[in-house]
Amino acid sequence: DAGVTQSPTHLIKTRGQQVTLRCSPISGHKSVSWYQQVLGQGPQFIFQYYEKEERGRGNFPDRFSARQFPNYSSELNVNALLLGDSALYLCASSLLNQGTQYFGPGTRLLVL
Amino acid sequence: TQLLEQSPQFLSIQEGENLTVYCNSSSVFSSLQWYRQEPGEGPVLLVTVVTGGEVKKLKRLTFQFGDARKDSSLHITAAQPGDTGLYLCAGGRGYQKVTFGTGTKLQVIP
Repeated sequence: DAGVTQSPTHLIKTRGQQVTLRCSPISGHKSVSWYQQVLGQGPQFIFQYYEKEERGRGNFPDRFSARQFPNYSSELNVNALLLGDSALYLCASSLLNQGTQYFGPGTRLLVL
Repeated sequence: TQLLEQSPQFLSIQEGENLTVYCNSSSVFSSLQWYRQEPGEGPVLLVTVVTGGEVKKLKRLTFQFGDARKDSSLHITAAQPGDTGLYLCAGGRGYQKVTFGTGTKLQVIP
């Protein structure tokens, strides 16, 4: 079975631009969470979605938004990109609202 | 804000040596996970511990959850080059908004 998939794998943007990252959870998983991992640090929680509803939000500005689709895939949007948004963006899925999370390979975003 | 402090931050050892990584917090967690992450990849779950005092073994890796569920340790026996990576602990409090530790970067030299 396929694991969590994310696209694109790498992305280069300039300051002020907008970006959309995509995540497909493991088949049957209904929860998707997004994390930001800056080089050399542990992942920081951004959002969690379960059954298409936002169930948790981390300490990130309103420039960050997300949604979950009826097929449980998810998109993370970041507006007005800043240099500090450069990071590895990780998506994790789990079967239910709670439980073990399985991570995708991440999307590496570079903002110039 | 819940914080998970890991120590050491960096560890470089020779193949065959033993090591222990610590994960400490002032908060109580309902569960704690350990992940290993390799460059350019997402974290891979190694183990989940949920009961205070619980010990789990995974081949040469031994994980322990503190009695008060505020801390955990990961012990590796006879480290191998394949153990090289970033080790992350992550604490949950019943929901998916888990808190990750600061990470321990391990290098095992052949």
